[in-house]
Amino acid sequence: AQTVTQSQPEMSVQEAETVTLSCTYDTSESDYYLFWYKQPPSRQMILVIRQEAYKQQNATENRFSVNFQKAAKSFSLKISDSQLGDAAMYFCAYRSLINTGTASKLTFGTGTRLQVTL
Amino acid sequence: DTAVSQTPKYLVTQMGNDKSIKCEQNLGHDTMYWYKQDSKKFLKIMFSYNNKELIINETVPNRFSPKSPDKAHLNLHINSLELGDSAVYFCASSQWAGGSTGELFFGEGSRLTVL
Repeated sequence: AQTVTQSQPEMSVQEAETVTLSCTYDTSESDYYLFWYKQPPSRQMILVIRQEAYKQQNATENRFSVNFQKAAKSFSLKISDSQLGDAAMYFCAYRSLINTGTASKLTFGTGTRLQVTL
Repeated sequence: DTAVSQTPKYLVTQMGNDKSIKCEQNLGHDTMYWYKQDSKKFLKIMFSYNNKELIINETVPNRFSPKSPDKAHLNLHINSLELGDSAVYFCASSQWAGGSTGELFFGEGSRLTVL
């Protein structure tokens, strides 16, 4: 079974600074998806960024980028120019590409709470 | 126009009661899910349906019964509610067959409080 580990329960960053959230995962599969989701106090789950494991290029979405290290099974999220609205819980998640049964689910890490200070 | 909608968003009830949460998606997806988020924010899969067929049934007490009348709807019925059932329940959907980008689209969650 796949597992996702987020070792930082809480992080803090000053507005306009850069912060990196860590995520490692364990799998025996070679093709899969990795995601970062954001959950603000409104509790809505919002997709931040997606990475397909077969793509070597790291995904970027505006101020958000990932450092995907497939051999190390590491998938960190970098937030540049942090804004107050970035304050939220951030969840790393794994999904298999296998199109059967339990493989269709997202497996989440335990989350990192990000505080943004002035 | 909300893509994945859940009702009710808040539910407060007494132990022993039976309650239901409804979910609808208008994205045309073929797979729907129920996740439970506990007080420590941990998200755990409960059930998943693909084209009305149950494909994931994790270790969940049989007091929880999902039902999918069609591929756009997935409901969750809970019998004999217990204090430990208090949580936020998220409905989600995804497209698994052809053209999928892999992510799940989530509803706003239903916060269940059992007194």
